[in-house]
Amino acid sequence: GIQVEQSPPDLILQEGANSTLRCNFSDSVNNLQWFHQNPWGQLINLFYIPSGTKQNGRLSATTVATERYSLLYISSSQTTDSGVYFCADSGNTGKLIFGQGTTLQVKP
Amino acid sequence: GAVVSQHPSWVICKSGTSVKIECRSLDFQATTMFWYRQFPKQSLMLMATSNEGSKATYEQGVEKDKFLINHASLTLSTLTVTSAHPEDSSFYICSAPPGQGWTEAFFGQGTRLTVV
Repeated sequence: GIQVEQSPPDLILQEGANSTLRCNFSDSVNNLQWFHQNPWGQLINLFYIPSGTKQNGRLSATTVATERYSLLYISSSQTTDSGVYFCADSGNTGKLIFGQGTTLQVKP
Repeated sequence: GAVVSQHPSWVICKSGTSVKIECRSLDFQATTMFWYRQFPKQSLMLMATSNEGSKATYEQGVEKDKFLINHASLTLSTLTVTSAHPEDSSFYICSAPPGQGWTEAFFGQGTRLTVV
């Protein structure tokens, strides 16, 4: 199945800073999603983005399907952005496979 | 989007007992649900695919006799951890996959299982 590589594994930011998270995929992407896992464990859907660029407030994402990677941009970070960010894709199997996650800590 | 409700959100059980976790689809009919497990500070690992009206399919390395999955109706999938041991303590979360009327996957709230 598809392999998902996320970077960086950990990120510490000062409030107000910008950041970029990256996911690389070993196979063609079909159902690429970005999630934020809150401290209670719930997965919050951020973007469904198998290709192109989307923006939602301070967050935006870009997927370059031909090169099998996706980027998540967080601008003007806030302490509430802290948590773990996951990307995932199903490849050709229909089963969503997750990257290892990026743990983001935003300091006030 | 789809609403997936998981219950309980947390449970503590004694070693050797069984625990049932329910995953309900509230506003759609789910022919398929996925079950994931997440250990502390790790990623979500797919355990099995729950299929309505037929046997679940398990990922390599997952003991089907220990993690019993039942998908008897189009709105309910259950995961039973049988003869639980401390090493089964984990976060379990179910998901409605894309393709059932929407393009993205939606997840339940998750269940934190602690076996003492």
